[in-house]
Amino acid sequence: AQSVSQHNHHVILSEAASLELGCNYSYGGTVNLFWYVQYPGQHLQLLLKYFSGDPLVKGIKGFEAEFIKSKFSFNLRKPSVQWSDTAEYFCAVNRYNNNDMRFGAGTRLTVKP
Amino acid sequence: NAGVTQTPKFRILKIGQSMTLQCTQDMNHNYMYWYRQDPGMGLKLIYYSVGAGITDKGEVPNGYNVSRSTTEDFPLRLELAAPSQTSVYFCASSHGFRLTEAFFGQGTRLTVV
Repeated sequence: AQSVSQHNHHVILSEAASLELGCNYSYGGTVNLFWYVQYPGQHLQLLLKYFSGDPLVKGIKGFEAEFIKSKFSFNLRKPSVQWSDTAEYFCAVNRYNNNDMRFGAGTRLTVKP
Repeated sequence: NAGVTQTPKFRILKIGQSMTLQCTQDMNHNYMYWYRQDPGMGLKLIYYSVGAGITDKGEVPNGYNVSRSTTEDFPLRLELAAPSQTSVYFCASSHGFRLTEAFFGQGTRLTVV
């Protein structure tokens, strides 16, 4: 079955702490990978994406993610979080031969000031 | 550009009632999607469309119907509302399927009582 797994449901950090959110997928073949962010009360917005090339991709607001094909992973990182990063983060995957996009269950990040 | 516009923002339905959630995009995107978001479950794909006149089922299509008569509009219809359909619904669109990200509407919070 198609699957996108986000291992952490809720992460609580203090400001300036480093962040890593895990994402694994179970599809074989070529995939496009995304991280979306949903701030409280808002719609989803794209944080970063990976299509091909350098497996380390940089997004907005200091976020980056690394695609490790052998591990089927696309983990999101940020060296130093801010209170304004409090949001829910979703990993998403689509496959080259499929016309839909599947999302993980999301990770809620709370950053304490 | 307005992007992806959903109406209404909020709605309360009684069991057995029907309603249509409206979604319009002004970006001339071919692909459009409907997702539902439930706490701890992430986004589940209900239906999607790859162009006017073409629709297909996603992960959780039961109890819903869609149509795509124009490129701009992709309404989602609930024929017989059930409490299990209480959720937040997001419409999204993308230019193509490959190598592009999805743009999301603001969401519709639906409660069935």
